[in-house]
Amino acid sequence: AQSVSQHNHHVILSEAASLELGCNYSYGGTVNLFWYVQYPGQHLQLLLKYFSGDPLVKGIKGFEAEFIKSKFSFNLRKPSVQWSDTAEYFCAVNSMTGGFKTIFGAGTRLFVKA
Amino acid sequence: NAGVTQTPKFQVLKTGQSMTLQCAQDMNHNSMYWYRQDPGMGLRLIYYSASEGTTDKGEVPNGYNVSRLNKREFSLRLESAAPSQTSVYFCASSRSSDNTGELFFGEGSRLTVL
Repeated sequence: AQSVSQHNHHVILSEAASLELGCNYSYGGTVNLFWYVQYPGQHLQLLLKYFSGDPLVKGIKGFEAEFIKSKFSFNLRKPSVQWSDTAEYFCAVNSMTGGFKTIFGAGTRLFVKA
Repeated sequence: NAGVTQTPKFQVLKTGQSMTLQCAQDMNHNSMYWYRQDPGMGLRLIYYSASEGTTDKGEVPNGYNVSRLNKREFSLRLESAAPSQTSVYFCASSRSSDNTGELFFGEGSRLTVL
């Protein structure tokens, strides 16, 4: 069955620390990969996505993610977090052959201490 | 430009009552989705509609029905609410011209079933 696994459910960092959130997926065929972010009290919005080309993708607010096909992974990184990055982060995957049914991971709650 | 609009934002029901969550998008998107968000479980797909006139089950369809009323509107109905359906419900849509299925979300509807 298709699935997305996020390694960390809760992460606490101090400002300026580096961030890496793990994501692995189980999905057959060609996939599209996403990271969505949900800031407190807000709806989900796209952080970045990969669908083809350069496996290192850059998103908003200094975030980036690397698609490693051999490891079925799409980890999210940021070199230096800010207090405003406090949010819940969701990894997600879909494929055209799956009718674009997007499957989400359980989410990682990030708290950044000022 | 409102994007994806959901109503109501909050609702309290008693077990066995019925209700309908409404969703409308003004972006001329073909595909629409209903997700539920529960702590520690991420977002799980309830139903989706790839295009007007079609609907399909997602990961957790039991206890729900949907109607794709027209291209703009996609409603979710709980015929006989149960406490297990207490959740935050998100409607989303995606562009027909986008081969990635990137999702645009509404602000969510918080439902409590007593």
